[in-house]
Amino acid sequence: QQPVQSPQAVILREGEDAVINCSSSKALYSVHWYRQKHGEAPVFLMILLKGGEQKGHEKISASFNEKKQQSSLYLTASQLSYSGTYFCGTESANYGQNFVFGPGTRLSVLP
Amino acid sequence: DTGVSQDPRHKITKRGQNVTFRCDPISEHNRLYWYRQTLGQGPEFLTYFQNEAQLEKSRLLSDRFSAERPKGSFSTLEIQRTEQGDSAMYLCASRSELRGWGTYNEQFFGPGTRLTVL
Repeated sequence: QQPVQSPQAVILREGEDAVINCSSSKALYSVHWYRQKHGEAPVFLMILLKGGEQKGHEKISASFNEKKQQSSLYLTASQLSYSGTYFCGTESANYGQNFVFGPGTRLSVLP
Repeated sequence: DTGVSQDPRHKITKRGQNVTFRCDPISEHNRLYWYRQTLGQGPEFLTYFQNEAQLEKSRLLSDRFSAERPKGSFSTLEIQRTEQGDSAMYLCASRSELRGWGTYNEQFFGPGTRLTVL
């Protein structure tokens, strides 16, 4: 079942912060975050595992609330290059099953 | 460049024709995924392989779609009797197999094949 993302879209000025949320109705093993620019393939940003482990870029932070099956991606001091569509992808607690992406959050950073 | 390649990058075909796409994953990755993405939507899971075994196939995938991964290396996705609704970007991603609790590996996406069915 597809995770839910919010907001659907957000517009920021350079230097502002944003939070993108992802929630699932299924028990999750991991949450992955990707950014996709128009006409390009998704690019990996962050993985969060059940149990608290994380792997990702230094300038990107995220959280994973296992009880609520929710994850949030924190973008601080946004740059023009942060513009794109952000997708969360989820794997269920039975890891190794199929990978489901959310509908995306479109982020636009203006100068 | 993630190391995952797809061919062709663009394909225009007429309704009713068959098309085949190829994906070459990162060589040491034994998991390979196919996704379909339409404008404004997230990638939609189609199927995935672990080595040469096709472990899961989306229930949404019609019988016109078939995928193979002979010898556990490259993979092909074939669409028979294409329909206009098949027009989309087809993405391939590869990944190392999860090994043990707490091991985590991201997917590396190829550039995609954009299919247009006229």
